[in-house]
Amino acid sequence: ELKVEQNPLFLSMQEGKNYTIYCNYSTTSDRLYWYRQDPGKSLESLFVLLSNGAVKQEGRLMASLDTKARLSTLHITAAVHDLSATYFCAVGDYGGSQGNLIFGKGTKLSVKP
Amino acid sequence: DGGITQSPKYLFRKEGQNVTLSCEQNLNHDAMYWYRQDPGQGLRLIYYSQIVNDFQKGDIAEGYSVSREKKESFPLTVTSAQKNPTAFYLCASSIVPRAETQYFGPGTRLLVL
Repeated sequence: ELKVEQNPLFLSMQEGKNYTIYCNYSTTSDRLYWYRQDPGKSLESLFVLLSNGAVKQEGRLMASLDTKARLSTLHITAAVHDLSATYFCAVGDYGGSQGNLIFGKGTKLSVKP
Repeated sequence: DGGITQSPKYLFRKEGQNVTLSCEQNLNHDAMYWYRQDPGQGLRLIYYSQIVNDFQKGDIAEGYSVSREKKESFPLTVTSAQKNPTAFYLCASSIVPRAETQYFGPGTRLLVL
């Protein structure tokens, strides 16, 4: 059974600081996703990582994937208040339902002035 | 504008009542999904459909039913058998099953009276 673990689950940062969110998963998968969710809102797709060593960047966020370690990271550079949200990683599930995504519990990020 | 719409935004259910959540997409996507999100948790798959007139159970299908009579529509019924229905329900779609990205609708919040 594929399991996805994120840490930390809560993260309080000061503006201008850097930090990394980690996403570990338990079995082989060919795709990993990062989503953002604002309170009471839906999920917004941030990144899709499809191969070992993949790195994608958008603004102050950079995501990477190490399939051998079954680890993805979401790095935040010089955080700003607008980045406050909950970030989810999700992994494509081979062994279960076709097209199923297994989600982590999310990391609630709060960026303070 | 292309996208996914869900209605209603809020839904109240009385004990013993069946309620239906609407999900419509005009993206011409083949695959559609229903997820449930509980507070502080990630998303869990309820049902998914890869093609019209076909659907499969996800990880937590008990107490729910779906239909897929049209490509653009994938309604979810929460039956009286679902004893703990209070949650945020998200519908998603992808161009094909196991496509790179699933796109999410705005969600329906279901509350029990």
